[in-house]
Amino acid sequence: DTGVSQDPRHKITKRGQNVTFRCDPISEHNRLYWYRQTLGQGPEFLTYFQNEAQLEKSRLLSDRFSAERPKGSFSTLEIQRTEQGDSAMYLCASSAPGTRSGDEQFFGPGTRLTVL
Amino acid sequence: QKEVEQNSGPLSVPEGAIASLNCTYSDRVSQSFFWYRQYSGKSPELIMSIYSNGDKEDGRFTAQLNKASQYVSLLIRDSQPSDSATYLCAVKDSSYKLIFGSGTRLLVRP
Repeated sequence: DTGVSQDPRHKITKRGQNVTFRCDPISEHNRLYWYRQTLGQGPEFLTYFQNEAQLEKSRLLSDRFSAERPKGSFSTLEIQRTEQGDSAMYLCASSAPGTRSGDEQFFGPGTRLTVL
Repeated sequence: QKEVEQNSGPLSVPEGAIASLNCTYSDRVSQSFFWYRQYSGKSPELIMSIYSNGDKEDGRFTAQLNKASQYVSLLIRDSQPSDSATYLCAVKDSSYKLIFGSGTRLLVRP
């Protein structure tokens, strides 16, 4: 399977703990995006990378959130001191370089986070 | 605040009918528009992209774009029960991120 992969698929944690999620984009896709989706809502943008550079961060991304893409391949999203309001599906997407086709974003299966 | 608006539904149609899903957006400079299908508990799946005014057809799906009215729609012909899902409209803003609507739930009755 050559699609976007995410790990873990599910994470249950206690409030105050730190969690880290991983995303592996489609091979040769240079842009990688993180979104968060809660029940009944569309995905909300968190941040995106072009290669290893983090080019934009949403105001939704508080100081407790950090994302990296150290070698321009996989990315990690860490949430420190989790809160119950962090419970959501965390989605990763990637897109290819180029013109219009580069606007198309393909999503991974997501990581569902539950904070107790 | 850039917005994408969709009717939450549910939109209920009988099997074999045409389902029409609509979306409006607020940012006039948007140039790229997308429809995603999302089954319950799954991640969004890209089904259509459209960049120019007019219609774009792909199998049973037709996307329609009217930039003057800031309106995007998706038609699903010969609807099947397997089409029952939430359909998300997304608009690319001036950077590369997508702004999503909250989705329209479609129910196709056998």
